[in-house]
Amino acid sequence: KQEVTQIPAALSVPEGENLVLNCSFTDSAIYNLQWFRQDPGKGLTSLLLIQSSQREQTSGRLNASLDKSSGRSTLYIAASQPGDSATYLCAVISNFGNEKLTFGTGTRLTIIP
Amino acid sequence: GAGVSQSPSNKVTEKGKDVELRCDPISGHTALYWYRQSLGQGLEFLIYFQGNSAPDKSGLPSDRFSAERTGGSVSTLTIQRTQQEDSAVYLCASSVRGRQGLPLGTIEQFFGPGTRLTVL
Repeated sequence: KQEVTQIPAALSVPEGENLVLNCSFTDSAIYNLQWFRQDPGKGLTSLLLIQSSQREQTSGRLNASLDKSSGRSTLYIAASQPGDSATYLCAVISNFGNEKLTFGTGTRLTIIP
Repeated sequence: GAGVSQSPSNKVTEKGKDVELRCDPISGHTALYWYRQSLGQGLEFLIYFQGNSAPDKSGLPSDRFSAERTGGSVSTLTIQRTQQEDSAVYLCASSVRGRQGLPLGTIEQFFGPGTRLTVL
């Protein structure tokens, strides 16, 4: 059974700093990994999708990397802004079974102005 | 519409009542998913529809939960005889999975805003 873990559970950093969020998964047989952002009381916004054959994806100040063999992904946020404050979730689609996403428990990020 | 929509946004009901939650996927998306987000369990998969195939119901927590998808578009999640532990945010997502030739690794799920269900 695929299990996804995110560390840390919460993180507070001053505005302007670069930061890294971590995601690990137990079964490396995945189709892809997706990073989401969730604002309080809102749904999920897709940030980046990394296919299993890819090593990284970039969008603006965000960069996500994938090391499938070790079961790890990182989300790098450059020059953090107060608007980046949210909960960040990673999720994977495994090779076996249906195309459901298995989610991590999330990292609650607070950027201090 | 531009994105996945869900209704109602909030639902308060009494224990034992039935509720229906609605999801309108992105036009042209053949796959539709329901997830549940609760404080104790995080985000968990409930059910998956793909085109005209039989749905994958492996995530439904009990037989009080059911879902249907009419005409390959709108979906309704029904919870019968609601219990307090059913209180959660119910999220719907859709994707383009099923289009011929699309690599599985490119499946990207897009989520609606969710329905917050409170069972008193």
